[in-house]
Amino acid sequence: GAGVSQSPSNKVTEKGKDVELRCDPISGHTALYWYRQRLGQGLEFLIYFQGNSAPDKSGLPSDRFSAERTGESVSTLTIQRTQQEDSAVYLCASSSSRDAKIYGYTFGSGTRLTVV
Amino acid sequence: AQTVTQSQPEMSVQEAETVTLSCTYDTSENNYYLFWYKQPPSRQMILVIRQEAYKQQNATENRFSVNFQKAAKSFSLKISDSQLGDTAMYFCAFMKHDMRFGAGTRLTVKP
Repeated sequence: GAGVSQSPSNKVTEKGKDVELRCDPISGHTALYWYRQRLGQGLEFLIYFQGNSAPDKSGLPSDRFSAERTGESVSTLTIQRTQQEDSAVYLCASSSSRDAKIYGYTFGSGTRLTVV
Repeated sequence: AQTVTQSQPEMSVQEAETVTLSCTYDTSENNYYLFWYKQPPSRQMILVIRQEAYKQQNATENRFSVNFQKAAKSFSLKISDSQLGDTAMYFCAFMKHDMRFGAGTRLTVKP
């Protein structure tokens, strides 16, 4: 597609429920990143996929968080047993290996997750 | 691990004036890349300017320029002739293998 697409754009869920957030990267981008942005704060790195390599999961805050990516396409971020502290905007970005250092990342508009 | 520090949570500037946003970072790497992103209320992250660490010349993009001091690990953003549309959160980012961000500076341009 023309840009990075994230769905849903907004999600309200009850504490304790599981949620899945979806990211469609730009076609041909081998790298995909997830970030969390709490209200009024910066972007917190969560996980990074690069091609068929093992993902860098070093930013996942707990074992309730997991992410998958099929090949070089869609990625889903799953949060199990959601807590109120999980409320945030979850941003996805993609890049090509070659161009990331020149053009940076292309970001989606994020999913705003609210846990009530 | 690299850390990026933006020490100014909020700043304001009068329309048409100049403002400088500060950013420092900590790394033991020699080759890396630095970026400034703008995030308006729409949440969309927009690349403003980038700098390659091996280049001494400061990057410039129209009204936006940087002051890159490699030895001091400082990468400030100068916005000249500020416009109302510049009102946004601004994030400084460091990239070696992946991108790490500072906490951001909320800039308000006042008419």
